[in-house]
Amino acid sequence: NAGVTQTPKFQVLKTGQSMTLQCAQDMNHNSMYWYRQDPGMGLRLIYYSASEGTTDKGEVPNGYNVSRLNKREFSLRLESAAPSQTSVYFCASRNLRDQLNTEAFFGQGTRLTVV
Amino acid sequence: LAKTTQPISMDSYEGQEVNITCSHNNIATNDYITWYQQFPSQGPRFIIQGYKTKVTNEVASLFIPADRKSSTLSLPRVSLSDTAVYYCLVGPNYGNNRLAFGKGNQVVVIP
Repeated sequence: NAGVTQTPKFQVLKTGQSMTLQCAQDMNHNSMYWYRQDPGMGLRLIYYSASEGTTDKGEVPNGYNVSRLNKREFSLRLESAAPSQTSVYFCASRNLRDQLNTEAFFGQGTRLTVV
Repeated sequence: LAKTTQPISMDSYEGQEVNITCSHNNIATNDYITWYQQFPSQGPRFIIQGYKTKVTNEVASLFIPADRKSSTLSLPRVSLSDTAVYYCLVGPNYGNNRLAFGKGNQVVVIP
């Protein structure tokens, strides 16, 4: 059982280049999330998807786009990378239900450097 | 999501019980209280979730007073491997789907 898988694990981009971070989960979860984490900071929500076909902005959406391709996959795209987007990116998923222990599962992260 | 307030950091000695507090004064009736743990270079991991009173699992205990305006995560007899950032989240388990983390509480366990 792989859980949440992110690709790639590491990436170096030049300013202005574009790329897509991939995330896939095999737990049949309805909700998926993208976060960024900078040194000494907590996780900041970029975008989330409550269910297949829906996406919503989080705290820091500028410079990013997302696609909920199907129930399993939620991708994050940087159209024109900037040095300020150098960060570690985490994807997560969970099932919302009105009961205890609706825990979120996280991927191992993608470490992105923009030079 | 209800806003939470946690200390930025704390130190504890190995073998001691560690109590980590979180304030959430504007918690709503439908909100649950959830704690996550994050080790360096890893994604957060779910520890425990509760609604009221006390919840215990194999990892930790969660104490929630009757007014639910705060909560305390208790880690028994910590070891060096418990050094991590601990996040307190408050929100419903349905409806509003945002899962917003704050800066968390850096706990350092000292030998």
